[in-house]
Amino acid sequence: DIQMTQSPSSLSASVGDSVTITCRASQSIRSYLNWYQQKPGKAPKLLIYDTSTLQSGVPSRFSGSGSGTDFTLTISSLRPEDFATYYCQQSYSSPRTFGQGTKVEIK
Amino acid sequence: QVQLVESGGGLVKPGGSLRLSCAASGFTFRDYDMTWIRQAPGEGLEWVSYIRSSSTYTIYADSVKGRFTISRDNAKRSLYLQMNSLRVEDTAVYYCATDGPISALDNWGQGTLVTVSS
Repeated sequence: DIQMTQSPSSLSASVGDSVTITCRASQSIRSYLNWYQQKPGKAPKLLIYDTSTLQSGVPSRFSGSGSGTDFTLTISSLRPEDFATYYCQQSYSSPRTFGQGTKVEIK
Repeated sequence: QVQLVESGGGLVKPGGSLRLSCAASGFTFRDYDMTWIRQAPGEGLEWVSYIRSSSTYTIYADSVKGRFTISRDNAKRSLYLQMNSLRVEDTAVYYCATDGPISALDNWGQGTLVTVSS
């Protein structure tokens, strides 16, 4: 199985800050990398698929990049509604494993 | 709009069984592959099982293989997860999601809680 490792596990930031979350795959997954946002008590929501394509309705302050084994999610100019937990997921092969999550908290 | 509604969760003793359902509406269910994902309390997301739109292919996480069975009824627009030989570590919120042509889980249900405890 492909292991997905996110870093950091958590971070504190202020409204208006730019933050970057990293996701590393244990082997090449080409560009088959997705990002999800989850708020407490809610189902996850797809933000970005295929490394860098924003899902419909997702604000442009979210962006993704990378290829092969190393990927990043960047949130520029954090807004209050962005404080949540973010998960990466590889869709290169089954099982389509998730990273352990990164909790973005208010400083 | 797309709606997925899970049901069937509850409290069950170790070794027991449950059948989860996911009712789909707002899209052409028979055209979509589907996936079950779970989340233990306070933990991250775990991919559980996948079924192709035509039911011709299924796959399971090692943690549930041989105990869980995914199925679907396209005429009823429903997805199912039969869970047998349940263990305490199967306690989680179970989500169903569409696994769209973009190879991502693009629509999720609200989840149903399964608690395995004596």
